[in-house]
Amino acid sequence: NAGVMQNPRHLVRRRGQEARLRCSPMKGHSHVYWYRQLPEEGLKFMVYLQKENIIDESGMPKERFSAEFPKEGPSILRIQQVVRGDSAAYFCASSPPNGGSTDTQYFGPGTRLTVL
Amino acid sequence: AQSVTQLDSQVPVFEEAPVELRCNYSSSVSVYLFWYVQYPNQGLQLLLKYLSGSTLVKSINGFEAEFNKSQTSFHLRKPSVHISDTAEYFCAVTSYNTDKLIFGTGTRLQVFP
Repeated sequence: NAGVMQNPRHLVRRRGQEARLRCSPMKGHSHVYWYRQLPEEGLKFMVYLQKENIIDESGMPKERFSAEFPKEGPSILRIQQVVRGDSAAYFCASSPPNGGSTDTQYFGPGTRLTVL
Repeated sequence: AQSVTQLDSQVPVFEEAPVELRCNYSSSVSVYLFWYVQYPNQGLQLLLKYLSGSTLVKSINGFEAEFNKSQTSFHLRKPSVHISDTAEYFCAVTSYNTDKLIFGTGTRLQVFP
């Protein structure tokens, strides 16, 4: 039973380019969460999605960042016109349906974004 | 709003010694509490969690944590650490009215031989 998959594991972009981070949840999971980990800091919540719906995006920066979780395929976190401050590790987590806040979130290995 | 404080950014300890990693939280509602472990260049793995019931929860690899409501704490302990326990440990909180986890800044446990 494969865990949460994220790709790419490492991504290098120049300022102004776009970054696309992909996350495939565990089999049977329909809830996806994105977190960002800045150097020497803990994880910060960004967005919570279910299939085709954004449930909570209170942690997403107002500009340049967007997320989707289509009916088919992985969840995508998209960062437009990246800046150096976007350099971080981005983690995706998934949880099963109907579990709510008591359910364990299973984390992927992360994508480490470096903006030159 | 909820918050988590991990006062110790680094904890050095010798192998086979006991260790305690501290976690305090703040919340206006009842909480669920988690400890996650992150090994270098890997994602987070759940170590243990408190949802309700017995305030002492244990993991399969010898860690335990006790929920103390009066002190708003959820400290992680292990009576005898191994080299392989070297990792970053994160405490996190959530509650019934939200699905997002609020994380502390992490504690780096370094076990020396």
